[in-house]
Amino acid sequence: ETGVTQTPRHLVMGMTNKKSLKCEQHLGHNAMYWYKQSAKKPLELMFVYNFKEQTENNSVPSRFSPECPNSSHLFLHLHTLQPEDSALYLCASSQDSTDRVDEQYFGPGTRLTVT
Amino acid sequence: KNQVEQSPQSLIILEGKNCTLQCNYTVSPFSNLRWYKQDTGRGPVSLTIMTFSENTKSNGRYTATLDADTKQSSLHITASQLSDSASYICVVSAKGTYKYIFGTGTRLKVLA
Repeated sequence: ETGVTQTPRHLVMGMTNKKSLKCEQHLGHNAMYWYKQSAKKPLELMFVYNFKEQTENNSVPSRFSPECPNSSHLFLHLHTLQPEDSALYLCASSQDSTDRVDEQYFGPGTRLTVT
Repeated sequence: KNQVEQSPQSLIILEGKNCTLQCNYTVSPFSNLRWYKQDTGRGPVSLTIMTFSENTKSNGRYTATLDADTKQSSLHITASQLSDSASYICVVSAKGTYKYIFGTGTRLKVLA
């Protein structure tokens, strides 16, 4: 395993539900990322946190709300999602930030289905 | 526009054979290029990372090449194994940003 865990692994939710995805990294890294992976599409970067501060919001709709209480934990709060939001949501971490050749370690992902 | 294109989209080979996957990019200014392996239902795992000054890097049976002038990279897999069946994703990072531009991947299937 890569040291990045995600829960739950699978989630089915209705469009009116509120749920949260959790990511935890045990690698002592300072940067954490949320990605969306839809079928037959490239991974899309959603959010980046560096030292608990959000440094990137890639024009993500407000129905996705990230939270980073500390460098080891990252949440993605979901509310009033649409069926097209169904995808694999991947969390990743790296030591630090821009312009360094840092390894990015990915979690196993949460498979989200919006009904 | 920063883009990463991979070819072929999918590939089937017999166990023991070699194969080469291609990646073309338009990301600028270039920082580094990575190849990832992603098994079905799992997160990507890094195979190689190359910066501008590196033109080849190996990781076991995987060898990546980079031509920064033509903005092309390849991933060569030698003596393929059944466990090599996965998607292989090329990722290019732009200098000075957190942005990682992902290709759509090549889905490789190795048959016995």
